[in-house]
Order: sequence, then structure tokens, then C-alpha cells
Amino acid sequence: QQQVKQSPQSLIVQKGGIPIINCAYENTAFDYFPWYQQFPGKGPALLIAIRPDVSEKKEGRFTISFNKSAKQFSLHIMDSQPGDSATYFCAASIMSTGNQFYFGTGTSLTVIP
Amino acid sequence: DTGVSQDPRHKITKRGQNVTFRCDPISEHNRLYWYRQTLGQGPEFLTYFQNEAQLEKSRLLSDRFSAERPKGSFSTLEIQRTEQGDSAMYLCASSSGWGGNQPQHFGDGTRLSIL
Repeated sequence: QQQVKQSPQSLIVQKGGIPIINCAYENTAFDYFPWYQQFPGKGPALLIAIRPDVSEKKEGRFTISFNKSAKQFSLHIMDSQPGDSATYFCAASIMSTGNQFYFGTGTSLTVIP
Repeated sequence: DTGVSQDPRHKITKRGQNVTFRCDPISEHNRLYWYRQTLGQGPEFLTYFQNEAQLEKSRLLSDRFSAERPKGSFSTLEIQRTEQGDSAMYLCASSSGWGGNQPQHFGDGTRLSIL
């Protein structure tokens, strides 16, 4: 059973575009929602994370939007660059019980120059 | 901060053999996690340690898998009698385990291929 559902599976945008990746969850006990970026042959690297007490968080060109009532959150990448081409994973965890991450299935992003 | 280090990066072995992987976490991190990632999927949780104590194990962790973290520093993951289905990337992550924000920092993984 997939605890976190992620879409789309793949995404192609032009340089400067704003790709949006969406995730949904069911477990209302989740209280930590990170996004990770992974390049081929590398481990996931933390991009940005959010707690459910805020609706939006920005770090550089990356923004998380969080909708607690809908149990959905999304990643927006502003002014996307070819170097952003990677696989992106959302995740969710319960911080008080060990904080193991439940990952989405990933979105392969390609930014065309 | 030297990051999370995993060794070896690649392991090729025949079915039925035993393999052992090592993870060195970020030095001040007291939590250590093991995940498995297959092609086209997100990482799946296997187990985690707080210091030297193994506190949780996933149902994915069959009795052929064992993990240790002696002295709360590095960790090893052993797979006995490997099977074709064990082929995957095995990722280690560590975190401080304290405070409101507990990001997990991942190593670059050990890719296991079973012949």
C-alpha cells in the first residue's frame, strides 16, 4: 500500500518554465514532508521540507505548497534550468515515532534548454 | 561534515552468497536508517537505529537480512543466501534525531546485483 502517491511520473518543461509535482497522503499523523532530488548514481539529496502548520515554504527557486485539509502538497520549481533535470521524490513521516520516511514513486523531470 | 559514506559502491555476487554493506553516518548523528530502492521506485524503509539500538524493522526485512550498529557509530547490513529479488540500491541515511526538523542525509548507496 503506497502511503504517499506522487504524480506525474515524468515531466518535460522548457528552460524557465515552472514544473509542478504533486503528492497526496492519507495518514493524518504525518507531520513532516520533505522533498528530495536524486541524480543518477547518487543518493537522494534534501531540497526543502515543510511542517503541516504552514501552507507554503520557499527556499531559493523551490516552493512547497501544502493543503492540510486536502492532504496534498506540491513542489514548484521556479525558472527551471537544465541542471534541475533529475528525479524528485516527495516523502512523509511521523517525527515522534522514529521519523522513517514514506517516499512517493518519484517524478523524472527533464528541462529542455 | 563529510557526509554519509557507504561501502562498497557496487557489489556483484552469485545467488546464494552472503553480502555485507557498511555505512558511516555523519559523526554527530544518532539516528541511522537503511532503505532499499529498486529501479523507478522511491526508497523503501528497512530499519533504523537510535544510537546502537535497533528500534524498528520493516516487514521487508526478512530473516535473511540483519543489521547492526555496534557502539552507535557505523552500521552494517548483511544479506544471507542472496536471491535475485535482492538486487537493488541499498541506501543509508542519518539524522540528528533531535529538534523539530530532522532531515535525513543520504549516502550514495550500494548497488547490489545478483547473478
